[in-house]
Amino acid sequence: LAKTTQPISMDSYEGQEVNITCSHNNIATNDYITWYQQFPSQGPRFIIQGYKTKVTNEVASLFIPADRKSSTLSLPRVSLSDTAVYYCLVTNLGGGNKLTFGTGTQLKVEL
Amino acid sequence: DAMVIQNPRYQVTQFGKPVTLSCSQTLNHNVMYWYQQKSSQAPKLLFHYYDKDFNNEADTPDNFQSRRPNTSFCFLDIRSPGLGDAAMYLCATSSRTSGDYNEQFFGPGTRLTVL
Repeated sequence: LAKTTQPISMDSYEGQEVNITCSHNNIATNDYITWYQQFPSQGPRFIIQGYKTKVTNEVASLFIPADRKSSTLSLPRVSLSDTAVYYCLVTNLGGGNKLTFGTGTQLKVEL
Repeated sequence: DAMVIQNPRYQVTQFGKPVTLSCSQTLNHNVMYWYQQKSSQAPKLLFHYYDKDFNNEADTPDNFQSRRPNTSFCFLDIRSPGLGDAAMYLCATSSRTSGDYNEQFFGPGTRLTVL
């Protein structure tokens, strides 16, 4: 599976838009980009998944350029409760849906 | 609500004393996973069951075993816990269909302390 690289930490303030970029230079044709969120002492939670271009749901947007070597998770108008670790993963359809977590990005939202 | 349940939430064991962690699900998913997450690290997959088929990760120590007696339940057995096995153990489920990716649903985890 392609390795992912993302910033270790980010700081933001309530009401701002947060963009977390992830690089996955060796992504394969069958790979999807998936993001999970994890709060302290809880299991990770699926946020969004995409293959190319843009995907939006009620929580976030995911932007994937044409070469798919990177992706950006966009969180609109963050609040204190969005403080969490965000994991970017490359998931393979033929890989048994196994998740290989990278280091993740610790997002801290302040007032 | 359909969910993934892990018991106990906190488990304390002694060095070398076998311990079993349990996971149950009401989602009727055919795949169940066990992850280990050490402090300030990312979750690491130990193994997973696709129905009754057991799939071990290559670097999972033999000290870790698993059982899945039915669709709803899955157990993680640590035969001889060492201090390095202290971690959060996460159970997850997914409904695997051919050719599609399905999100994993995680339980709250069991935090294991080894004395």
